[in-house]
Order: sequence, then structure tokens, then C-alpha cells
Amino acid sequence: DVKVTQSSRYLVKRTGEKVFLECVQDMDHENMFWYRQDPGLGLRLIYFSYDVKMKEKGDIPEGYSVSREKKERFSLILESASTNQTSMYLCASQLYNEQFFGPGTRLTVL
Amino acid sequence: GENVEQHPSTLSVQEGDSAVIKCTYSDSASNYFPWYKQELGKRPQLIIDIRSNVGEKKDQRIAVTLNKTAKHFSLHITETQPEDSAVYFCAASIGNAGNMLTFGGGTRLMVKP
Repeated sequence: DVKVTQSSRYLVKRTGEKVFLECVQDMDHENMFWYRQDPGLGLRLIYFSYDVKMKEKGDIPEGYSVSREKKERFSLILESASTNQTSMYLCASQLYNEQFFGPGTRLTVL
Repeated sequence: GENVEQHPSTLSVQEGDSAVIKCTYSDSASNYFPWYKQELGKRPQLIIDIRSNVGEKKDQRIAVTLNKTAKHFSLHITETQPEDSAVYFCAASIGNAGNMLTFGGGTRLMVKP
């Protein structure tokens, strides 16, 4: 079974803090994705990566950056957290067309 | 870029009834259309998908239909059961390995016993 894990299930941060969300997959998948999930808006793509050190902007990259130094790990970085970044963050890895999601991190920015 | 719209946003049915969720997409180049189910507090999981070279696909009580001309596709669940209660997301992509999915806004399905 594919296993995708995220570093935290719940996270509370203050405005202006730098926030790191980590995602690890154990299936040697090349493609990994970060989404945010908000009610009524579905899953919106923030960034994705096709390979180590490669990254591509998704639909809503503003205020975020990513890092992929190793194939199994894809990190999402909020350089200066803001209240409008309060959301559920889901990462996924992909094999062929199927995406396998992590459990999600519910981030609250106060 | 691709835009996927999904309706309805909420759907309530009696156990045993059928449920239909509809999606439209904007990019005629899209050729892969998966559906994900997210149960409360859990991660989304792929339940069925369809490619543009077929018009319909079935898997037990669920089926998907695709109308390429009209650029819409639908999920049909028959004989609904309480465990079908979840949020369902449709998505579209160009379908080559590595291409990203564009998701619809989701439908919260509630099956009343």
C-alpha cells in the first residue's frame, strides 16, 4: 500500500511566523503535489514537483514556496503566515494518474 | 487553464435511492476524469475514473458517464447506503502521467437511513 504521511495533523501559528509543512511518501513516486482544501472550493493546487529540485506553480502559489531536496519528501513553506492561510493542507503523490493523499494538516493562523 | 464546476454542492437522499453528481469542464484537451471520495476526517481516495475514449464505466453500484461534446461528466450511485455519505470530488486532466488534476468544488452527499 502507498503510504503518504504529513508532519502534523493540527498546527497553530501566529501571523508572520514561518511555517513548514512536510510530506513524505514511501513509494518512490516522482510526482508530488500540495493542495489547500476550503469548503466549497474543492482542492486547489498550490505547487507540484515532477522530480527532485523541480517545482511548478499551481493555481494559488502566492504566499507559498516549496522544497524538494529528496525524492520522498516535499515541503510546503509559508514564509510569513497570514490569517487567510488558515486552511486544511493536503499533499499527494502520484503514480500514473492516481493521486494518493496524505491525512492532511489543519493549519490555524492567529 | 482548466476550470471544473461541480453540482450540486450538497445532496441528500434516502437510503436505497440513486444519487447523481454532475461536473463540467472547460478545456477540450482534457481526457482523464477521476472521482475521489472523502469520508469525514479522512483523506480523499480514488473511487472510479474514465478516459475520453469511452462514454461510460461501471463498478458495482457506481458508474461514470462522459459527454465529450458537451464537456460534462457525471457520477451515478445506485442503491445508496449510509456508508456512501461523504464528499465527492470530480477532476479533469490532460491525462499524461504527471499532469496535474483540476478539481471541482465538491459535493457533500448525505444518505439518510
